[in-house]
Amino acid sequence: QKEVEQDPGPLSVPEGAIVSLNCTYSNSAFQYFMWYRQYSRKGPELLMYTYSSGNKEDGRFTAQVDKSSKYISLFIRDSQPSDSATYLCAMRTPTDSWGKLQFGAGTQVVVTP
Amino acid sequence: DAGITQSPRHKVTETGTPVTLRCHQTENHRYMYWYRQDPGHGLRLIHYSYGVKDTDKGEVSDGYSVSRSKTEDFLLTLESATSSQTSVYFCAISESGRGNSYEQYFGPGTRLTVT
Repeated sequence: QKEVEQDPGPLSVPEGAIVSLNCTYSNSAFQYFMWYRQYSRKGPELLMYTYSSGNKEDGRFTAQVDKSSKYISLFIRDSQPSDSATYLCAMRTPTDSWGKLQFGAGTQVVVTP
Repeated sequence: DAGITQSPRHKVTETGTPVTLRCHQTENHRYMYWYRQDPGHGLRLIHYSYGVKDTDKGEVSDGYSVSRSKTEDFLLTLESATSSQTSVYFCAISESGRGNSYEQYFGPGTRLTVT
């Protein structure tokens, strides 16, 4: 079983809708949680970062972490066609001294005009 | 792409041939990583480096070797390419692997096809 599970999608939503993405994980030692966005044929870019539990908001993006349920979420409000991409969650423990990240498989999002 | 280049960007090679991919950074970051990305698997770490001549294995290192003779360059070698190594390869860099430093910057990727 993978340490990080993520539904591959595709997730298709109309422009202006809320996009809801999530990942579940099994390793309770994970403390740092990230969301990367990857456009087609490009490298991933960091979108959001959260340490431990709680919410974090940045513009149209909100990241949530529920450590008790081992579940993280990313919400995109007022979605735009330019949000069409694959979203990967990633996480790490505080004891990994060389920055090892465990990635989910990624969810493909399509925002239709 | 945060001062990271990868070469070549595309390569087609035959089974059994050696292949070397290059990652070059201009950020002077200490940590460098090689990942492969395959459908359904996400990004998987092949090898990483925590300094010049300091490297170690990731979770899918069989059939791959790496070298880092300069801070800015990290080479990935497929010793004898197999069809299972057909993939997209990404290089990433990080200023620090400790504590709150979390961000890894990714290069544009190399698309490798082994026939």
